[in-house]
Amino acid sequence: GESVGLHLPTLSVQEGDNSIINCAYSNSASDYFIWYKQESGKGPQFIIDIRSNMDKRQGQRVTVLLNKTVKHLSLQIAATQPGDSAVYFCAENGGTSYGKLTFGQGTILTVHP
Amino acid sequence: KAGVTQTPRYLIKTRGQQVTLSCSPISGHRSVSWYQQTPGQGLQFLFEYFSETQRNKGNFPGRFSGRQFSNSRSEMNVSTLELGDSALYLCASSLEGSGNQPQHFGDGTRLSIL
Repeated sequence: GESVGLHLPTLSVQEGDNSIINCAYSNSASDYFIWYKQESGKGPQFIIDIRSNMDKRQGQRVTVLLNKTVKHLSLQIAATQPGDSAVYFCAENGGTSYGKLTFGQGTILTVHP
Repeated sequence: KAGVTQTPRYLIKTRGQQVTLSCSPISGHRSVSWYQQTPGQGLQFLFEYFSETQRNKGNFPGRFSGRQFSNSRSEMNVSTLELGDSALYLCASSLEGSGNQPQHFGDGTRLSIL
């Protein structure tokens, strides 16, 4: 049969706005989470990670929030810039699985100048 | 420090052929994971290698295989290519592949099957 492509959620913001990208993860055994940014023609680029013993972690212009109760992650980008336009993926480790990350479907972020 | 390097960047093959893709991890990284990325299925885990041993495998047919060399470089092989194997194949490396270390990705090999 015909395959159906993933319909990625999209987020469109103005330059300078703050952006929030959300992700629901599936495996309650996951204890490590990563956010990646993927630009066209490139591989996923590591942004920030968080372990399950934390509920918030900050980097440069980015903050990740983890809510284990409802299995939800969010990535906040402050003062969003046109160079932030990309597809953003959350990934979880599924607990103790060697070298395996399970990725979300991704969110397309578009920043308008 | 050089990042993860994948070669070639692009490949065109026909059905029934086989292909080998190469990945050089970040210096000092001993774990290499492979992923397939398609518009329909997103990013899916293929397998992971550490110290020349496959430690983990995803749900792909046996046509997909890999290996790792003593210098941690890795190759993956796909035999009897099918149209559905057209995808971006990504390699990622980490220090030891334990579940709480970040993986760093290369820019992938774009494989097109005619």
